[in-house]
Amino acid sequence: EPEVTQTPSHQVTQMGQEVILRCVPISNHLYFYWYRQILGQKVEFLVSFYNNEISEKSEIFDDQFSVERPDGSNFTLKIRSTKLEDSAMYFCASSEAGQGWPSELFFGEGSRLTVL
Amino acid sequence: QKEVEQNSGPLSVPEGAIASLNCTYSDRGSQSFFWYRQYSGKSPELIMFIYSNGDKEDGRFTAQLNKASQYVSLLIRDSQPSDSATYLCAVNPPNGQNFVFGPGTRLSVLP
Repeated sequence: EPEVTQTPSHQVTQMGQEVILRCVPISNHLYFYWYRQILGQKVEFLVSFYNNEISEKSEIFDDQFSVERPDGSNFTLKIRSTKLEDSAMYFCASSEAGQGWPSELFFGEGSRLTVL
Repeated sequence: QKEVEQNSGPLSVPEGAIASLNCTYSDRGSQSFFWYRQYSGKSPELIMFIYSNGDKEDGRFTAQLNKASQYVSLLIRDSQPSDSATYLCAVNPPNGQNFVFGPGTRLSVLP
């Protein structure tokens, strides 16, 4: 069964460092997403990506964050100058269709980021 | 501000009972509604979605939607200990591509 894969599963970094989280969405999906979940809190939307550009982003997704689809398969989230409060589980998700269509999100297993 | 609200729980039910999970949403024009299950430390996995008023059944699960009341619920019949997890309600608003998640309800099914 097709699945969304994420690497690394866990990354520990020092405050101020840059991290890149990688995702391989399901191959025939068109919409890609990053969500984060701080421990014990709700799943929060960061950004959606369609047709090689950001289609929507939340207020969390400020200049510290960027996304890229460097090739036909990978979808990356870059976090510059990490802060303690960036510590969270970051989920990549993909879907076949977007707005106005009951198309489910398929989630990866997540990348746990710990900022020290 | 798009909001999705759920009781945080924990909701405890005995094995074999019906568990009822509720969710309300603020964006009246929302079209699609999803229930995800999340085990501790794991990613959300879809249980079912609903987009028409009324009931939708899938095995032991029934989703109920009332758009006039901006309310969606999930019933789990014959609850099993393996159903113990956090249940997330997610809403796809009409003018966005993102999914807005509620805080989740923690369900505990007691053997």
